[in-house]
Amino acid sequence: DARVTQTPRHKVTEMGQEVTMRCQPILGHNTVFWYRQTMMQGLELLAYFRNRAPLDDSGMPKDRFSAEMPDATLATLKIQPSEPRDSAVYFCASGLVQTGSKEQYFGPGTRLTVT
Amino acid sequence: AQSVTQLGSHVSVSEGALVLLRCNYSSSVPPYLFWYVQYPNQGLQLLLKYTTGATLVKGINGFEAEFKKSETSFHLTKPSAHMSDAAEYFCAVSGWTASKLTFGTGTRLQVTL
Repeated sequence: DARVTQTPRHKVTEMGQEVTMRCQPILGHNTVFWYRQTMMQGLELLAYFRNRAPLDDSGMPKDRFSAEMPDATLATLKIQPSEPRDSAVYFCASGLVQTGSKEQYFGPGTRLTVT
Repeated sequence: AQSVTQLGSHVSVSEGALVLLRCNYSSSVPPYLFWYVQYPNQGLQLLLKYTTGATLVKGINGFEAEFKKSETSFHLTKPSAHMSDAAEYFCAVSGWTASKLTFGTGTRLQVTL
């Protein structure tokens, strides 16, 4: 049963520290998405990649957030420096996105708390 | 461009009652439509999808949705609610050439005894 995996599942850190979240997409999927979910803002798309190339990162604060795909099996989302307002659940999703297929499969999320 | 409106941020039904969660979409191209469910402390899980063809789509856990182009709607229904259906439900839309999904704001379903 193929699944998207995310690590860590929980992260508590102090303001100013660097945070790195990792995602392993489902093997064979060509598109990876990063979302952030909060009570106030709901589900927000931060960035996404197609075949490891960034397609859109307009949802991401550029000064502190960065997203990369070093290889097809790993996507990373980094926050440096972290701030309390970054506290949220961060989801990674992957999909084989093509004409006729758009569904995304979500990981369990990383719950980030910045104190 | 696509957008989704989910009417009602909270819906409460009795166990055994009909579940109806409303979703209206806007799309300049033929839409792909989805419903996702999120249980507490979990990621979103695909319930069902509409791409082309049959307008009544059946999904997991007894849910179904009907694509009505004339009403630009894709409402989610289940004939008889179960306690385990309590969760948040998200409607989403995409277009033929789009890579991403546009999600609604979600509807929290509460099921009471």
